[in-house]
Amino acid sequence: EVQLVESGGGLVQPGGSLRLSCAASGFTFSKYEMIWVRQAPGKGLEWVSYISTSGSTKYYADSVKGRFTISRDNAKNSLYLQMNSLRAEDTAVYYCAREGTGGSNYLGYWGQGNLVTVSS
Amino acid sequence: AIQLTQSPSSLSASVGDRVTITCRASQGISSGLAWYQQKPGKAPKLLIYDASSLESGVPSRFSGSGSGTDFTLTISSLQPEDFATYYCQHFNSYPLLTFGGGTKVAIK
Repeated sequence: EVQLVESGGGLVQPGGSLRLSCAASGFTFSKYEMIWVRQAPGKGLEWVSYISTSGSTKYYADSVKGRFTISRDNAKNSLYLQMNSLRAEDTAVYYCAREGTGGSNYLGYWGQGNLVTVSS
Repeated sequence: AIQLTQSPSSLSASVGDRVTITCRASQGISSGLAWYQQKPGKAPKLLIYDASSLESGVPSRFSGSGSGTDFTLTISSLQPEDFATYYCQHFNSYPLLTFGGGTKVAIK
């Protein structure tokens, strides 16, 4: 069974840093591209970042470019999101996700979500 | 960047009703569209991909149609467990993923 389990969220002050982790199991992690998506309280879904299978290609939404860094450790079956210079508008539930049976354009598997709150 | 506009933003319906949600793309995207269902406090769940393909395990009362710029998600007979928020999604060159604003389906 495919499982994605996020951790590392919590309360942080504006300007602070936080590192989210996503532990993958039930599939060959190194064969799948991975994505982070976030959802601000009461709002819709927003794509945050993408990483290729090897980690050599990374993309970021304009809203986080230069502040967030996505990475992965295929030996540890883990995905990460390093978040620096956090702002109030980064407050959201962060989901890691990967493709499902429909192919790499769609997110068939999601983690349970991890809340990040940026507030003083 | 391609934008996705969902309508309505919310609706009220009764169990057994036929429900249709629309997603309009700002430019043609062929059949590259997915639909997700999200319940409060839960992660989104993929229902439909490639505009009309049913994800494995999803009940057949859910169906998708459309191509180009206009797409619909139809629930043929609304069930109590279907009350949720629904999102459409497209995969771009950049930004990689675009989501619609969501449609909340509530109990009448």
